Order: sequence, then C-alpha cells, then structure tokens
Amino acid sequence: GENVEQHPSTLSVQEGDSAVIKCTYSDSASNYFPWYKQELGKRPQLIIDIRSNVGEKKDQRIAVTLNKTAKHFSLHITETQPEDSAVYFCAASYGGGAGSYQLTFGKGTKLSVIP
Amino acid sequence: KAGVTQTPRYLIKTRGQQVTLSCSPISGHRSVSWYQQTPGQGLQFLFEYFSETQRNKGNFPGRFSGRQFSNSRSEMNVSTLELGDSALYLCASSFQTGNDEQYFGPGTRLTVT
Repeated sequence: GENVEQHPSTLSVQEGDSAVIKCTYSDSASNYFPWYKQELGKRPQLIIDIRSNVGEKKDQRIAVTLNKTAKHFSLHITETQPEDSAVYFCAASYGGGAGSYQLTFGKGTKLSVIP
Repeated sequence: KAGVTQTPRYLIKTRGQQVTLSCSPISGHRSVSWYQQTPGQGLQFLFEYFSETQRNKGNFPGRFSGRQFSNSRSEMNVSTLELGDSALYLCASSFQTGNDEQYFGPGTRLTVT
C-alpha cells in the first residue's frame, strides 16, 4: 500500500515569513494529493490539492508543488498570519481497485505563527 | 449546500459495548469514507462506501463495519469496544470516488472506559 512521510512535525515561523511543509509518497500510481488544515477541535478542511498531471498550483497565499519523479510534494504558505496556525496534513490518493480510492495521510505538521 | 454532518458528536461507552455512528454526506455526493484519528496513529482509512456497497477497506479488525443507505447516508459500527478504540471518527464525502475532493464532517469523539 501507500506510505506518506511528512516533515517537519512542528514548525514555528514569524508572522509574515514563509512556511514550507514537505511530503514524500511511495506508490508511483498515486495521482491525487490534497492538503488539509485542521484547527484545534475542528474538522480537517481541504485547502488545496494537486493532480499528477500538474506540477504546481496556487491559491492566493498558498501553493503546492509536485515532483512525480522524486515522488514528493510540498505546501508553501507565504506571508503567514496567526490564523494560519494549525495542523496541516498531506495525503496521497491510492487506488484500492474497483474504482475505489483511499487517502493515505501524513502524520501532520503543527504550524505555529508567532505574532 | 449543507456540509457533512455526523451524529452523535460525543459518545462515552464502556469496554465490550457496541456503538453506531452516523454520517450524512453533502447533497449529491455518493461516496462516503470513514477515518479514525488518534494522536499516535494520525488519520487512518477505515472504509469507503459507494452506492450502498463497500468498495474499499483499510487495515482494521472485523469489529469495525459499516453500511450505506440509498440516500448515501452512512453508518459505521464498532462491536466489542476496546480501550484503544477511543478516537475521533471522521467521515468524508466526495462526489464519486475517493479521488475526488473529500470534505470532512465534524467527527464523533468516542471515549471507551
């Protein structure tokens, strides 16, 4: 099955700085890579995703890059704000057969933005 | 559209009991996936349902089961509860498959004593 490694596990940045979270995956057949933000006591919220036919995707202050050859993808947050503080999860979509897919998640990165 | 809803939000059970959790997907979404979230193991896939059929199952014992109804609402059941089953159980709905965007519900916090 798929295995997703996520680094770092914790990240502290000053407000206004950039934050980068990196993930690697093992199954070259994975083709969908979402990122979720989970605030304390809240549900995971989809913030951005990328498919394997795209190398980069941006949405305002966040961007995701994908390197299929190296099997890694990264989340970039620019001009960080205190409200960006949360746990971020990367995931890779792995085919389970019969048209089914499942998400395999990384262990999460706790991002703290210091005002 | 209304988001994914889950009931109940909190449950306290004792070892050996069984529990049923419910998930209502976003209107129009036909795929429902269930995940267990714990501090130690993170988010782990339990199973996925589509058109009332379980299409995929994660690496969990047979005590964990589920079903989906014709209106796409889904339930999961855990029998013979163990202390280690204490977790946040999240469901996520997507349009057709787990390869579509998945949107999570608020979760059910299960505590087993």
